[in-house]
Amino acid sequence: EAQVTQNPRYLITVTGKKLTVTCSQNMNHEYMSWYRQDPGLGLRQIYYSMNVEVTDKGDVPEGYKVSRKEKRNFPLILESPSPNQTSLYFCASSPAARYGYTFGSGTRLTVV
Amino acid sequence: AQSVTQPDIHITVSEGASLELRCNYSYGATPYLFWYVQSPGQGLQLLLKYFSGDTLVQGIKGFEAEFKRSQSSFNLRKPSVHWSDAAEYFCAVGATAAGNKLTFGGGTRVLVKP
Repeated sequence: EAQVTQNPRYLITVTGKKLTVTCSQNMNHEYMSWYRQDPGLGLRQIYYSMNVEVTDKGDVPEGYKVSRKEKRNFPLILESPSPNQTSLYFCASSPAARYGYTFGSGTRLTVV
Repeated sequence: AQSVTQPDIHITVSEGASLELRCNYSYGATPYLFWYVQSPGQGLQLLLKYFSGDTLVQGIKGFEAEFKRSQSSFNLRKPSVHWSDAAEYFCAVGATAAGNKLTFGGGTRVLVKP
């Protein structure tokens, strides 16, 4: 089944403790992206990648890092999480702009 | 810069009635347009997309949308709503820049009355 898989689905952590949210797609898509969803602010792009080793900032990149060492994987790294990063995170992949993105099921992160 | 407006935050509709969700976009060129649905606790599922050709596009779950360039609109419709259509619906415009960035509207939450 074609899909984007994110792990974990739920995560509660403490301020300052580094964490990684994994993302993997099995559709051989070139483009991958991370979004966060917050009440009243909607969905905003954090980082994106156009291919292996090619990544760039989206609209809200502060406090996040990403890497794209393999085409299928695009992990999101929070080196020192803070409470304002409590959010619902989505990873997504796309073959081209006109097809839109396929989204993962989301990771609900709480930073206390 | 691209932007999307969904004027209705909430819509309540009776089961079996028709549904129309409004979407207006701002984009400098011919847009790629999408409708996504998000059920509670779930990710976003693509309902339909438009990038060229026939301005009336059909999607999954009985949904359709019409692209009207003159009105910068891409409204979503369904002739007869089922209880399972209760969800939040997002309109989005896509660009080839910024990694195929999607810009989303604020969403419309649909409640279905029995």
